[in-house]
Amino acid sequence: DAMVIQNPRYQVTQFGKPVTLSCSQTLNHNVMYWYQQKSSQAPKLLFHYYDKDFNNEADTPDNFQSRRPNTSFCFLDIRSPGLGDAAMYLCATSRDLTPRGNQPQHFGDGTRLSIL
Amino acid sequence: GQQLNQSPQSMFIQEGEDVSMNCTSSSIFNTWLWYKQDPGEGPVLLIALYKAGELTSNGRLTAQFGITRKDSFLNISASIPSDVGIYFCAGQGGATNKLIFGTGTLLAVQP
Repeated sequence: DAMVIQNPRYQVTQFGKPVTLSCSQTLNHNVMYWYQQKSSQAPKLLFHYYDKDFNNEADTPDNFQSRRPNTSFCFLDIRSPGLGDAAMYLCATSRDLTPRGNQPQHFGDGTRLSIL
Repeated sequence: GQQLNQSPQSMFIQEGEDVSMNCTSSSIFNTWLWYKQDPGEGPVLLIALYKAGELTSNGRLTAQFGITRKDSFLNISASIPSDVGIYFCAGQGGATNKLIFGTGTLLAVQP
């Protein structure tokens, strides 16, 4: 059974029209991550939440925002999508954060975003 | 962003052959992970390694955490067509549990 669920699997939006992608988890993990993955590339971390604490990566554009209303749900908002934002967006969770890094991340199946 | 050196970039093999791929880094990691990604799907965790020198198996897959903590390899024995996909290594560590991904290895298996 899927434990990290992303909806929708495919999303089409217009250039400049705000879009929201959603992620939910049944694992009760403290940490939720959003990644952007372009064709033939590795996933690129955008930001993560540790509980309610938001942590943005330094090179994430301001166009990308996130919300985490509760433990189970996390949203990715793209305020004004450009053509370069077409990609697969992956959500991941991990149980906790530890200095030893021994909390593997578990990914959802992603949302493929297309921009018209 | 930072990436690990992963090789080979792609492999085209016959069903039944063994496969080996590896990752190297200039940085030390506390954890090495191997993921497989099928087209249109998210990465699926195959093996997690937590100790330097650790050798771990998952069915036909075997992975090792290098003794220097800067490298890891993944072996697949007796490959089958469903092994096709992109394999990513990832190093993990630091306060944010951040994953640093390898560049990926595309595996194609000829039946």
